Amino acid sequence: GENVEQHPSTLSVQEGDSAVIKCTYSDSASNYFPWYKQELGKGPQLIIDIRSNVGEKKDQRIAVTLNKTAKHFSLHITEAQPEDSAVYFCAVLYGQNFVFGPGTRLSVLP
Amino acid sequence: DAGVIQSPRHEVTEMGQEVTLRCKPISGHNSLFWYRQTMMRGLELLIYFNNNVPIDDSGMPEDRFSAKMPNASFSTLKIQPSEPRDSAVYFCASRTSGWVYNEQFFGPGTRLTVL
Repeated sequence: GENVEQHPSTLSVQEGDSAVIKCTYSDSASNYFPWYKQELGKGPQLIIDIRSNVGEKKDQRIAVTLNKTAKHFSLHITEAQPEDSAVYFCAVLYGQNFVFGPGTRLSVLP
Repeated sequence: DAGVIQSPRHEVTEMGQEVTLRCKPISGHNSLFWYRQTMMRGLELLIYFNNNVPIDDSGMPEDRFSAKMPNASFSTLKIQPSEPRDSAVYFCASRTSGWVYNEQFFGPGTRLTVL
């Protein structure tokens, strides 16, 4: 089956700095990689995704990069804000379903 | 739209009791997923339905767990009998089917505590 690793497990950055979270996966046939943000007491919410036919995708302050050869993809948050504080999950589409990474708890310090 | 609705939001029960979690998917979504989230195992898919039919239940941990979807607007996840190790947050999610890249929308979850 698919194995998804995510690092770091916790991350603290100052407001205005950048944050990077990296995920690796095992199945080279996987071709869709979403990122979810989970705020306290809520369910995960899709924030950005990338398909294997592109190497990078941006949406305002967030971006995702994909290296299919190395089987890893990363979430980049620039100019971090306190409202970015949450748990972030990467996921990999495996067959018809997602396999999720273990999550990264991001804290943005004012 | 109100999004995916789950009830109850919190459930505390004693070992051996039956627990029923409920989910109402977003109207028009015909794929429904049940997930379990724990610190140790993260977010795991338990079962998913397509057009009310269970497609993959390989994630259901054991026979104590069962899920039903009697119609397009309602699903239940039942644990009988419950055990302390079942304590977790259970999420329901839904999406439109037909294209696997369609976004899954998660409900707010049910936090289950089994004493």
